Amino acid sequence: QVQLVQSGAEVKKPGASVKISCKASGYTLTGYFMHWVRQAPGQGLEWMGWINPNSGYTRYAQKFQGRVTMTRDTSIRTAYMELSGLTSDDTAVYYCARGNPLVRGIIYYYDHWGQGALVPVSS
Amino acid sequence: QSALTQPASVSGSPGQSITISCTGTSSDIGGYNYVSWYQQHPGKAPKLIIYDVTTRPSGVSNRFSGSKSGNTASLTVSGLQAEDEAIFYCSSYTSSSTPVFGGGTKLTVL
Repeated sequence: QVQLVQSGAEVKKPGASVKISCKASGYTLTGYFMHWVRQAPGQGLEWMGWINPNSGYTRYAQKFQGRVTMTRDTSIRTAYMELSGLTSDDTAVYYCARGNPLVRGIIYYYDHWGQGALVPVSS
Repeated sequence: QSALTQPASVSGSPGQSITISCTGTSSDIGGYNYVSWYQQHPGKAPKLIIYDVTTRPSGVSNRFSGSKSGNTASLTVSGLQAEDEAIFYCSSYTSSSTPVFGGGTKLTVL
C-alpha cells in the first residue's frame, strides 16, 4: 500500500532552516507529483509547492519563493523540503502529499499524505 | 489568490444529510473541473474524499458526493454518522496554475 513516512518533529530557532524528508513506498515515486502542504496550529491548509520527482522541476507558492527548496533522491525514494529564514509564523505541521499522476499534468489533488512533521519555531 | 469561502460550521443529526458549500470565482472553481475535498480528524492528516469535482477515491464511502454549479462547489454527506465529525476542506485549481484551499468547515454530528 502507498505510504509516505516523514521525518520527526524539530524545534527551531528564528532564522534557522529546517529540512524535512518524506520517504515513499508502495508506488513509483517518479510517477506522481509530490506536494508540500503546511498547517499552522488551529488553522487551515496552505499549499507550499510541488516537485516533479521524475525531472526534479519544482513550482513554489509565491509566498515561499526564495525561502523554500524542494528536492528528491530517487535512489532512496525520498522527497525533501527545506525552508529557511524561519520565524514564529512558520510554526506549523508540514505534510508531504502525493499528487496526481504525472501523465495528467498538474491538476492538484492529494491522495496520500505523510503523518506530518511538527516544526515549532521559538527562541 | 484569495481562499475559497466555506461556512465555518455545519451540523446535523445521525442519519440526516448535510451539504457544505465552497465558493470561489471564475478563475478557480468556475473555470475548471478540478475541485477536491478533504476530511481531517483532530490530530490526523487530511484524507482525500472527492477529486475532479465528483470522483470518489477507492475506499471512500458513497455517502460522500461532490458537485459544482458555477463558481460554487458542494460536498454532500448523507446518512450522517458520528465518525463523520471532522473538519472538511475544499480545494481548486486556479488560473495561476496553483491551488487554493478553503478555510475549512467543522461538521458536528449532534
